Amino acid sequence: GIQVEQSPPDLILQEGANSTLRCNFSDSVNNLQWFHQNPWGQLINLFYIPSGTKQNGRLSATTVATERYSLLYISSSQTTDSGVYFCAVGEYGNKLVFGAGTILRVKS
Amino acid sequence: DSGVTQTPKHLITATGQRVTLRCSPRSGDLSVYWYQQSLDQGLQFLIQYYNGEERAKGNILERFSAQQFPDLHSELNLSSLELGDSALYFCASSVKEGQPNNEQFFGPGTRLTVL
Repeated sequence: GIQVEQSPPDLILQEGANSTLRCNFSDSVNNLQWFHQNPWGQLINLFYIPSGTKQNGRLSATTVATERYSLLYISSSQTTDSGVYFCAVGEYGNKLVFGAGTILRVKS
Repeated sequence: DSGVTQTPKHLITATGQRVTLRCSPRSGDLSVYWYQQSLDQGLQFLIQYYNGEERAKGNILERFSAQQFPDLHSELNLSSLELGDSALYFCASSVKEGQPNNEQFFGPGTRLTVL
């Protein structure tokens, strides 16, 4: 099955700093999503991005499908950005395979 | 708010018991997925239903079963519960008929604690 690797596993930032999270996957996919799991356990959709680049406020994401990786950029980080960021991939209409996540801690 | 609802939010029960988790998908979504998040296994796919029929199975134990009803809501039944079944169970939905976007949206989860 598809393998998903996320890096780094852990990240500590000072408020206001920028960061880049990476997701590598082992096979071609039709679905790639980034999620933020907040301290209450909710999985918040950040991006649906099987290819290309998208931006939403301070967050942006790029997926290079031909090279099987995706990047999530967080700029001007805030304490509310803390939590776990998951990358998940899948084929059309099918299950998502999740990476192990990146734990982000933003300090004030 | 994703539009996916799950009940109950929390469930505390004893080993050997049986529980039912309920999920209502986003309006118009035909696919429902169940995922389990545990500390040692991470987020893992359990089972998928599409328009009432089982579509795919993942790492779902034989003690677990699910179904999707004609109104498209789904239930996950967990029986003969063990301590290791304690986890956060998520339901997700996707796929409106005729639309190519298959982004999955997740409910708030049901946190199951088996004592």
